[in-house]
Parts: sequence; C-alpha cells; structure tokens
Amino acid sequence: EAGVAQSPRYKIIEKRQSVAFWCNPISGHATLYWYQQILGQGPKLLIQFQNNGVVDDSQLPKDRFSAERLKGVDSTLKIQPAKLEDSAVYLCASTHLNRASSYEQYFGPGTRLTVT
Amino acid sequence: DQQVKQNSPSLSVQEGRISILNCDYTNSMFDYFLWYKKYPAEGPTFLISISSIKDKNEDGRFTVFLNKSAKHLSLHIVPSQPGDSAVYFCAANSQGGSEKLVFGKGTKLTVNP
Repeated sequence: EAGVAQSPRYKIIEKRQSVAFWCNPISGHATLYWYQQILGQGPKLLIQFQNNGVVDDSQLPKDRFSAERLKGVDSTLKIQPAKLEDSAVYLCASTHLNRASSYEQYFGPGTRLTVT
Repeated sequence: DQQVKQNSPSLSVQEGRISILNCDYTNSMFDYFLWYKKYPAEGPTFLISISSIKDKNEDGRFTVFLNKSAKHLSLHIVPSQPGDSAVYFCAANSQGGSEKLVFGKGTKLTVNP
C-alpha cells in the first residue's frame, strides 16, 4: 500500500511570495489533515477535511493560508503572501473513515518551507 | 496554552537498557493517547496507543502506561536499540470531540551502542 505522498519536499521562497504544497493521501482514506510543524515544536493542525468538506479549520490563518480538496482525494495548501514565521515543515496526514482507527493518522514525509 | 507537555527535550540511554519517555496533559476531556516516532526528514509514524479505559498497553518492546488521576503517561522501551533513536511525540484526543490530535513538543531519544 502506497503511503501519503507530498511534494515538493523542500521549498525556499522570499517573504511576500506565494507557495503551494500538494498532498495525495492513502487510497480510500476519507479524512485528510494538514499540519504545521515549527522547529522544536510538535505538529499543529491547520485544517481537517472529511472527503471534500472542511471539518476543522479553526487554527488556519485564513488571511494568508488556504486549502482545498476539490474531488475528495488530493489536496493543496497555499500560502499567500508568506511571512518569515511560516518557515516550518508542512505535514499531510490521512486516516480511514472508520472512527475506531481514525486516531492512527498516517503522515507523509512533509514539505520543508524556508522563507527568507 | 500547551495541553500536552513533554518536559524532557532529550534522553540518552545505553543499548539494552530501558528508555522511559514521559508525557503530561492538562485537558481532562482527553481520553485517547498515542505515541508517534519521527526520524529526520520523514513524517511521524504511529507507534502505540492507549484508551483511557486502560492503564497499560503493550506491543513487543513498547509499553505505554496511563495514570489518569495524575494526567500522566509514559512510554517504556525495553530493551532499547540504536534504531530506536528518533524523536518521540505524545499526542492526545477526545473521542467525544473532533478527531484532532494535540501533540507535545517531542523528546529526542538517543540510544548509544
């Protein structure tokens, strides 16, 4: 079974530029998450999708961050414009729809973003 | 407000000895707890979990203990192996709420040969 795929793996941009990250979850996983992990911190949830609907985006800075999952499979996370404090690893995770196993989220390798 | 705390940023143990990683939580609504392991340049991988109806869960060399009254859990690795060297994250969830996991800051474990 293929894991969660993310691209790009690394990205360096200047502040005020825009950037987009892509995630392809494990086949059949209805729930998809985007996390931000700042150096020295644990992952922090940005947004959670159930199929193509948003379940929780309470910690997403909506003035600059946006995310979509139009067909309920792949997802993109965009930052526009980027700030220095957005430098972090952006992790995508997915889970089965079955709630009994939904806590065991499967993570992709992440995209390391550096904003200069 | 950090709801899940891992107060030891790092831990170093000798191969073959026991590693004990600790985690404290403040939210009494949390009722499901997980440990994730992360190698450099990789995403976290699920290791072991425990529901609040239990006080112990064991899987091979890994055992998680939960003390609800103290709002404390620990991960024991016995015997520790050099391949266990990684960052370990404690995470918590409330079954009555969303599926959002709240993570601690992690503890970097180094197992010396």
